[in-house]
Amino acid sequence: DQQVKQNSPSLSVQEGRISILNCDYTNSMFDYFLWYKKYPAEGPTFLISISSIKDKNEDGRFTVFLNKSAKHLSLHIVPSQPGDSAVYFCAASATNSGYSTLTFGKGTMLLVSP
Amino acid sequence: EAQVTQNPRYLITVTGKKLTVTCSQNMNHEYMSWYRQDPGLGLRQIYYSMNVEVTDKGDVPEGYKVSRKEKRNFPLILESPSPNQTSLYFCASRNRWDEKLFFGSGTQLSVL
Repeated sequence: DQQVKQNSPSLSVQEGRISILNCDYTNSMFDYFLWYKKYPAEGPTFLISISSIKDKNEDGRFTVFLNKSAKHLSLHIVPSQPGDSAVYFCAASATNSGYSTLTFGKGTMLLVSP
Repeated sequence: EAQVTQNPRYLITVTGKKLTVTCSQNMNHEYMSWYRQDPGLGLRQIYYSMNVEVTDKGDVPEGYKVSRKEKRNFPLILESPSPNQTSLYFCASRNRWDEKLFFGSGTQLSVL
């Protein structure tokens, strides 16, 4: 049973436009969410996170929105740049469960064209 | 430089030949973990360790072993590799109070 779902395997966007990557989760115990970015031949790197006590977190061109009632979060990249082309993983954690381990989605490949 | 180091980066082996993938971190992190990445399946956790001598199974532990004798090292052992263990493997670590994982560069394993 997949607890973190990224239903779009890929997304293509033009440079300068907004990229919106979506993520849904099913486990109501999840209370902390992260986005990771992965280039080919490299390990995933942390991008941005959000706690369930917030509904928005912003860091430069990257903003994550959390809708707890819908169990949905999204990553907005504005403006998108060719260097943003990568695979983006959504991850979730249940920090109040005694211990926590990250559960990842399958990833969305973003391609930003010039 | 703070980092998670995995070795080797690439490994080709044959079915049944025991192998070890090493992982070391220099950030004094308590928590370490192994993931595998497969096309269409994303990142799946194999094993994790909350601290020295404390390990536990993740989502896909079958066919793997780990040990945590020192805080900085967390090797992944395949006692008898099979072709379905052909995958891209990532080691990761974090501070026990922080959810942010730091990943190594990956080990591409092919079992023939």
